[in-house]
Amino acid sequence: RKEVEQDPGPFNVPEGATVAFNCTYSNSASQSFFWYRQDCRKEPKLLMSVYSSGNEDGRFTAQLNRASQYISLLIRDSKLSDSATYLCVVKGGGATNKLIFGTGTLLAVQP
Amino acid sequence: ETGVTQSPTHLIKTRGQQVTLRCSSQSGHNTVSWYQQALGQGPQFIFQYYREEENGRGNFPPRFSGLQFPNYSSELNVNALELDDSALYLCASSLLQGANTDTQYFGPGTRLTVL
Repeated sequence: RKEVEQDPGPFNVPEGATVAFNCTYSNSASQSFFWYRQDCRKEPKLLMSVYSSGNEDGRFTAQLNRASQYISLLIRDSKLSDSATYLCVVKGGGATNKLIFGTGTLLAVQP
Repeated sequence: ETGVTQSPTHLIKTRGQQVTLRCSSQSGHNTVSWYQQALGQGPQFIFQYYREEENGRGNFPPRFSGLQFPNYSSELNVNALELDDSALYLCASSLLQGANTDTQYFGPGTRLTVL
């Protein structure tokens, strides 16, 4: 079983749609959780951190369910510029604090 | 921009050769992590360097090695290249304070092709 699992997509949605991505992680000791965005042939960039209380940044809402080991990202009112791969990321404990990435979910927003 | 730079941007090598990739971390950061991203996959952790010493390693063979310099820049060396080493190599810099690193900022990556 992969440490972080995501639906690879692609998700093809029209502009203005609401789209949700889900992710599960296997290590219950994981401490921190993130969504990164990666444009084609570019480096990953931090989109937002994810907290148990849920957090919102404009059109983006992230949620963490520790009991179910489940992370979600909701994008409202999709824009063409939202087209990218969204990577679910878990940071393990210990001195290394390495990031563990899912395979990413490809989003294509259509005009 | 993150302030993290990598060189070269692209590289083509043949099987059995050796390669060195370089990374300059963001000002004020003391930790560099290296990741390998194969096509269609998420980045995989190779290792991390803190204060010039390896500070954790992923599931990569010993032919993957690294260095960190006093200015916190870093190198990734890969010996005896294999076809499966073809990937985007990303470095990420961060600040390690106590037991935790803050946000990791990624450089633009080096795309390595092994023929």
